[in-house]
Amino acid sequence: QKEVEQNSGPLSVPEGAIASLNCTYSDRGSQSFFWYRQYSGKSPELIMFIYSNGDKEDGRFTAQLNKASQYVSLLIRDSQPSDSATYLCAVKATGGKLIFGQGTTLQVKP
Amino acid sequence: DTEVTQTPKHLVMGMTNKKSLKCEQHMGHRAMYWYKQKAKKPPELMFVYSYEKLSINESVPSRFSPECPNSSLLNLHLHALQPEDSALYLCASSLDRPQRDTIYFGEGSWLTVV
Repeated sequence: QKEVEQNSGPLSVPEGAIASLNCTYSDRGSQSFFWYRQYSGKSPELIMFIYSNGDKEDGRFTAQLNKASQYVSLLIRDSQPSDSATYLCAVKATGGKLIFGQGTTLQVKP
Repeated sequence: DTEVTQTPKHLVMGMTNKKSLKCEQHMGHRAMYWYKQKAKKPPELMFVYSYEKLSINESVPSRFSPECPNSSLLNLHLHALQPEDSALYLCASSLDRPQRDTIYFGEGSWLTVV
């Protein structure tokens, strides 16, 4: 079992729809969870972080964390073509390493 | 300000060359990282420095040699690389808090080994 798992996609949604990206992790001791957005040819850009169970909202983005289920998700409301990118889920595991999932490619179609 | 600056942005080097990648941050962060990223793959951790000391080496070949001259600077010295080492090299930094620690990446250095 991979330490951080994401569906590689591509996930295709129409413009204006909600995009839902999911991630599971294996280390129950993990405390910090991150979503990075990466455009082709660019470096990862931090868009959300979450430490506590529940929801965290920032503009059109909502991160959701369920530690009991070892599950973290990212919702993007009113998706725009400019949101088309690869979204990397990352988990800071016990020992301090930041471990990435394989990334989900999101395509927002006009 | 969450800026991590990497130089050069692009580097082409021969297999016998010696070159260095540089990284700088002025956010007061105490942990600095080198990651390697190949096309369509996630970043892979190479090294972690915590308070200027090497704390994690992910069994990286010795042709990659990290250096942390001070808390703001991180170098990656390259020598006798192979073409398969061509990749995007990412520097990152964080406060190095035990639990709730956010890691910020620089723009990366694209390395091509010929």
